[in-house]
Amino acid sequence: DADVTQTPRNRITKTGKRIMLECSQTKGHDRMYWYRQDPGLGLRLIYYSFDVKDINKGEISDGYSVSRQAQAKFSLSLESAIPNQTALYFCATSLGGQGSNTQYFGPGTRLTVL
Amino acid sequence: QQQVKQSPQSLIVQKGGISIINCAYENTAFDYFPWYQQFPGKGPALLIAIRPDVSEKKEGRFTISFNKSAKQFSLHIMDSQPGDSATYFCAAASFGNEKLTFGTGTRLTIIP
Repeated sequence: DADVTQTPRNRITKTGKRIMLECSQTKGHDRMYWYRQDPGLGLRLIYYSFDVKDINKGEISDGYSVSRQAQAKFSLSLESAIPNQTALYFCATSLGGQGSNTQYFGPGTRLTVL
Repeated sequence: QQQVKQSPQSLIVQKGGISIINCAYENTAFDYFPWYQQFPGKGPALLIAIRPDVSEKKEGRFTISFNKSAKQFSLHIMDSQPGDSATYFCAAASFGNEKLTFGTGTRLTIIP
């Protein structure tokens, strides 16, 4: 079974709609992250959370919000989707602490905003 | 502001050849440099990583070379195989800050 799961895997929506992408992990990690991947731009950090009570903006948080419902769950919302939010979205987790920089990624959600 | 610059954007190498991907960073506080490998339809996965106390790290056919004074590091894939065809991302982080700053990625294709 996958340690980091994302739902849905694919989503097509229309401009202005509210969308939620969900991430769950069974690794027992405290740290969770949301990235978007665009061709030629690499992976860019949207939001990250180091524990349930900690939420931080990444480099491209405008237009997005997150919720850390539990240690194992971290959701990303697009309140009013726009076409330039069409991208591949990844959730990742890490253990945290010295020597624990490794991030473990989910399989991704391909989002298309028409 | 791109703190980690990666090149080339795409690379085609013949089977058995050496694949080389380069990255340069600006932030001198970075002290952890991983490479991630991503296959189509999958999330990135850690391939190999280095800290600046060594200039080279080798794991099987994969080697990271690190040049602290030039603020550059590179991934070398020896005896490249078709199964190595993937997108490779370099990244960097600083001590005590677990956020990774990623490069823009290199799409590697190994041809028979």
